[in-house]
Amino acid sequence: DIVMTQSPDSLAVSLGERATINCKSSQSVLYSANNKNSLAWYQQKPGQPPKLLIYWASTRESGVPDRFSGSGSGTDFTLTISSLQAEDVAVYYCQQYYGYSSTFGQGTKLEIK
Amino acid sequence: QVQLQESGPGLVKPSETLSLTCTVSGGSISNYYWSWIRQPPGGGLEWIGYIYYSGSTIYNPSLKSRVTMSVDMSKNQFSLSLSSMTAADTAVYYCARGGTATYWNLGLWGRGTLVSVSS
Repeated sequence: DIVMTQSPDSLAVSLGERATINCKSSQSVLYSANNKNSLAWYQQKPGQPPKLLIYWASTRESGVPDRFSGSGSGTDFTLTISSLQAEDVAVYYCQQYYGYSSTFGQGTKLEIK
Repeated sequence: QVQLQESGPGLVKPSETLSLTCTVSGGSISNYYWSWIRQPPGGGLEWIGYIYYSGSTIYNPSLKSRVTMSVDMSKNQFSLSLSSMTAADTAVYYCARGGTATYWNLGLWGRGTLVSVSS
């Protein structure tokens, strides 16, 4: 299994400031067939199911605000929220989908400072 | 719009088999990948596996020996069976829809159902 490790486990950022969450995979998730990284990001607010934000490491899902961006390649990835809004308080998960199985990171809890 | 709704017992005894159903409303189960994901209380997400509308499946290797998924197109439902339940299987179980060509882009989720394992 590919193990996904996120850092930090929790993060407090002031409104309007940048938030950065990291995700590291135990092996490369670069899919050679399309040269894209098999990595997605989800946002989960309390009492709600997760919401898909980004896939292929950097492609925003339709309707996701452009303050959310994803980057990285191979084994190291980053989710960045450029200007934190109050509604962004949530737990964020990375997900790898390399091959025929999928695993999630342990989650990063994002709060307002 | 398309909605997903999980249904099943909220309490299961140790060693028993859990059976959950996800009902798809507002759209067809055809042409999509359908997944089950679970989340223990206060914990992270664990992908259980997926079933394509045609019936082909892929399961998480760590759960493969205990998992069976099926689809009932006549009822627009798909199901999860998880055998030999233990306390470690206590979790909120979600069903989710993937894409038409890929399973992993889980863009639509049910609200989840809490399953507790206790005697």
